[in-house]
Amino acid sequence: AQSVTQLDSHVSVSEGTPVLLRCNYSSSYSPSLFWYVQHPNKGLQLLLKYTSAATLVKGINGFEAEFKKSETSFHLTKPSAHMSDAAEYFCVVRGTNAGGTSYGKLTFGQGTILTVHP
Amino acid sequence: DGGITQSPKYLFRKEGQNVTLSCEQNLNHDAMYWYRQDPGQGLRLIYYSQIVNDFQKGDIAEGYSVSREKKESFPLTVTSAQKNPTAFYLCASSKGAKGNTYNSPLHFGNGTRLTVT
Repeated sequence: AQSVTQLDSHVSVSEGTPVLLRCNYSSSYSPSLFWYVQHPNKGLQLLLKYTSAATLVKGINGFEAEFKKSETSFHLTKPSAHMSDAAEYFCVVRGTNAGGTSYGKLTFGQGTILTVHP
Repeated sequence: DGGITQSPKYLFRKEGQNVTLSCEQNLNHDAMYWYRQDPGQGLRLIYYSQIVNDFQKGDIAEGYSVSREKKESFPLTVTSAQKNPTAFYLCASSKGAKGNTYNSPLHFGNGTRLTVT
């Protein structure tokens, strides 16, 4: 079984200040982890993904995330927020079974709404 | 440009009617998915298909049906048996769902907002 918890349902920052969106996961074996962003009434867009290579993953639009196995975390950060970053963000885990194969399902977190103030 | 097209963007139906949501992709992806999104609940998987003429139930399949007669198309029917059909529906695709393509990310359409009254 696998699960993902986004620790904050809402985060509010000022433009130009750092962004931190927190995500903890549980997975029986080696997971793949993703962050997606969704603007209102739109589909989801991939920001970045971790697939057992480098633990610090760089994504689009200046975002990055660090995989910490000991803490089962995959927090999303950005050094300086921009107004266009205001959106909802989803942390997603895809696990594997003992044989190392996926059963084709992802588990989504509940989402974190990021508000950016001028 | 390649992508996923969902239509219509907004859909209104009376209770008791079946309704079909369209999803077409030109990414040559093998796997396709339907998700339902409700406020504060993230995305929940309704059905997925790893290959033409095959599909699997997701976590909340009751009251829904799908078909996968063509690689490019994965329509979703919301039947009158679905107790609470009003929601935002998202279609997605990926290169594959198993083997060495299982890490491939999902590409999403822009969704269909269904309102049933």
